[in-house]
Amino acid sequence: NAGVMQNPRHLVRRRGQEARLRCSPMKGHSHVYWYRQLPEEGLKFMVYLQKENIIDESGMPKERFSAEFPKEGPSILRIQQVVRGDSAAYFCASSQDRGGNQPQHFGDGTRLSIL
Amino acid sequence: DQQVKQNSPSLSVQEGRISILNCDYTNSMFDYFLWYKKYPAEGPTFLISISSIKDKNEDGRFTVFLNKSAKHLSLHIVPSQPGDSAVYFCAASPSYKYIFGTGTRLKVLA
Repeated sequence: NAGVMQNPRHLVRRRGQEARLRCSPMKGHSHVYWYRQLPEEGLKFMVYLQKENIIDESGMPKERFSAEFPKEGPSILRIQQVVRGDSAAYFCASSQDRGGNQPQHFGDGTRLSIL
Repeated sequence: DQQVKQNSPSLSVQEGRISILNCDYTNSMFDYFLWYKKYPAEGPTFLISISSIKDKNEDGRFTVFLNKSAKHLSLHIVPSQPGDSAVYFCAASPSYKYIFGTGTRLKVLA
């Protein structure tokens, strides 16, 4: 399966702990996007990264959230000191090129639950 | 501020008939529109897209129509099949950032 791979699929954390979500893009894709989906809502853009660069993090909360896409390895979305409101499904997508008429392809998401 | 709206949370259609899912947007800067299908516990799967320079795009049973003057997008599925039962999201983009609607749950009745 050469699709977007996300792990873990489910993650449970207690308030105050850290959550690390990983995303490996499709082969040949160097553009990665993170979205968050709250129950009964659509996906909301968080951050757009290319290898080693954050291009747009306008949808990501300024505090506690960070993202990276290193030269080697998967993209990581990191949430420090998690709170109940962070409970959501987090989806990663990748594309071959930036913008234009190139659809983003999504992984199956990480469902984060905060106790 | 909901820039992309799907006003019908759910839709039921008989197998073999046409399913029409609708989407409205407010931002005239959007130039690329997409439809995704989503099953429970899975990620959105890309279905079909359309550029703002076109008014129709067809791929098998799926056709997307774009009415720029009305800022309206629709997805037609014909004939509908039970396997089409899922949540459908429309998305609009001015560049790389996708703005999603809240989804329409389609149920195709056998």
